[in-house]
This record gives sequence, structure tokens and C-alpha cells, in this order.
Amino acid sequence: GGIITQTPKFLIGQEGQKLTLKCQQNFNHDTMYWYRQDSGKGLRLIYYSITENDLQKGDLSEGYDASREKKSSFSLTVTSAQKNEMAVFLCASSIRGRAETLYFGSGTRLTVL
Amino acid sequence: AQKVTQTQTSISVVEKTTVTMDCVYETRDSSYFLFWYKQTASGEIVFLIRQDSYKKENATVGHYSLNFQKPKSSIGLIITATQIEDSAVYFCAMFHNTNTGKLTFGDGTVLTVKP
Repeated sequence: GGIITQTPKFLIGQEGQKLTLKCQQNFNHDTMYWYRQDSGKGLRLIYYSITENDLQKGDLSEGYDASREKKSSFSLTVTSAQKNEMAVFLCASSIRGRAETLYFGSGTRLTVL
Repeated sequence: AQKVTQTQTSISVVEKTTVTMDCVYETRDSSYFLFWYKQTASGEIVFLIRQDSYKKENATVGHYSLNFQKPKSSIGLIITATQIEDSAVYFCAMFHNTNTGKLTFGDGTVLTVKP
């Protein structure tokens, strides 16, 4: 088995601040994802990466940057935090990224003051 | 554009009964993959069951089964003999058979199982 670790669990920032969320997986999976979950809503894809140094935009990429420097890690940067993007950010991974089961981390809850 | 819709916002059932959660999807792909995930109160999201569009037989895993109606673009989740611990949010999701690797989720259905 493996695990996906997201840090920090809670992130509080000021409006306009640049904030970085980190994700590590030890499944040795190729593909990693960042999803955003607003309260009471489903998951929306921000970025994903099918291999090291690859980046693909999702439906919600504006206002975010991502980085995949190693196979095991995937980071997400909120370039300028806004109050309307307070949400839970979920990292996930899958073996190859095509119709494979996703494994999720426990999330980072972002609060913007 | 691909879309996944779960019309039931919440469902409440009595323990040990059967519940069905609805999900309809839109896609132009001839081949696609449908999933159900469960999110517990702690926020943990786990995979439950999947249906590949080219398979006619409905998938079954434990007390979870699917009602796949391809002509209606519908993939219902059936939970038999519900237990209190089945209380959670259930998400339907679709994986498109393209090179994008994107999984699109519905907004979820909150299931409450009462004693």
C-alpha cells in the first residue's frame, strides 16, 4: 500500500498573498492531480501531471501554478489568494492516468483573510 | 463538453434497506469510464466501483452495484443492506477516453443512514 501526504493540513493566508500547497505520494504512481472542492460541491480539476516535469491545465487553472519536479511530489501555488477561493484542495494520484483509480490525500483547507 | 450530474442532493434511508443514487453524464466519446467515490465525514475520499462503457454487465463489488443504462447515459449506484457507516457523500465521476487524463466529478449526493 501507499499514502498521499498533503501539507499543510490547514493554510491561512492574506488576500493577495502567494501560497504553496505540497503533495507527496509513495505509490510510485505516474500521474498526479490537484482538485479543488468548494463547500457542498464536487471536485474540480486545477492541474494534473502525467509524469515528472509535465503539467496539464484543468478546468480551473487560472490563478494557480503547479510544479512536478519529482515523480513523487506535486506542488500547487495560489498566485494571489482571493477570498472566494476558500476551499479544500485535494491531491490525488493514479498509476498511468487513463481510466485508473485515483487515490486521494486528506486535503489542505485554505482560508483567506 | 463532458458533464456529470447528480440530481439528488441528499437521501435518507433506514438501516438495512436498499438505496439507489442517480447519476447522468454527457460525453461525445464512444469509450469512457464511470466511477463512484465515497467521501466520509473526515474528508477521506475512497474509490468504490467502476463501470467501463464497453461492458454490458453491471459491475458489483460487495454490497455496491451499478445500474448502467447506456442509452440513457445513466449510471446509478445501488447499495444493498445499508449500514450506518455508509453515511457519506457519494460522487459519480467520468473518465474520458482521451489523452487528457481528466476525471470529471458530479456535485455529490449526501447519504444518511438512520438506525
